[in-house]
Amino acid sequence: GENVEQHPSTLSVQEGDSAVIKCTYSDSASNYFPWYKQELGKRPQLIIDIRSNVGEKKDQRIAVTLNKTAKHFSLHITETQPEDSAVYFCAARPLSGGYQKVTFGIGTKLQVIP
Amino acid sequence: NAGVTQTPKFRVLKTGQSMTLLCAQDMNHEYMYWYRQDPGMGLRLIHYSVGEGTTAKGEVPDGYNVSRLKKQNFLLGLESAAPSQTSVYFCASSHNERASYGYTFGSGTRLTVV
Repeated sequence: GENVEQHPSTLSVQEGDSAVIKCTYSDSASNYFPWYKQELGKRPQLIIDIRSNVGEKKDQRIAVTLNKTAKHFSLHITETQPEDSAVYFCAARPLSGGYQKVTFGIGTKLQVIP
Repeated sequence: NAGVTQTPKFRVLKTGQSMTLLCAQDMNHEYMYWYRQDPGMGLRLIHYSVGEGTTAKGEVPDGYNVSRLKKQNFLLGLESAAPSQTSVYFCASSHNERASYGYTFGSGTRLTVV
């Protein structure tokens, strides 16, 4: 099955700096890569996603890049703000199988220091 | 529009007790899922359902049972709770098998088994 590795597990940045979280996946058939943000005590929420036919996608201060050859994708947050502090999960979905199977990474706890 | 609602939000069980977690969605989603979230392990799929009357095992199904008698409800049962089942449980739903718009998660249930 799919294996998604995520790093770092924790990340501290100064407010205004950029943060980068990286994930690798094992199944070359995966074609959909969402990112979720989970604030303390809250539910995970989708913040951005990318499909295998796209190399980069941006939404204001967040962007995701995908390298299918190397099987890795990354989340980039620019001009970080305290409200960006949360746990971020990457995920990958393989094409194989008749039903959806999303494999999540273990999460990255991002702390933005004011 | 409530989205995905989970009940209860918190529960403490004694070893060997049973309980049912309820997940209700009002988005007419076909697919529903139960995950558990443990520190350092991310989100792991327990069971899922691809439609009313159907259920299937996920990555960590042992010790849990599920039912999907109505399209809007997905129940997770613990017949004989064990301390290893202490976790935060999240229900999620998606429109279709490709979850083009990502999952919608419930707010979570924090379960402690003593």
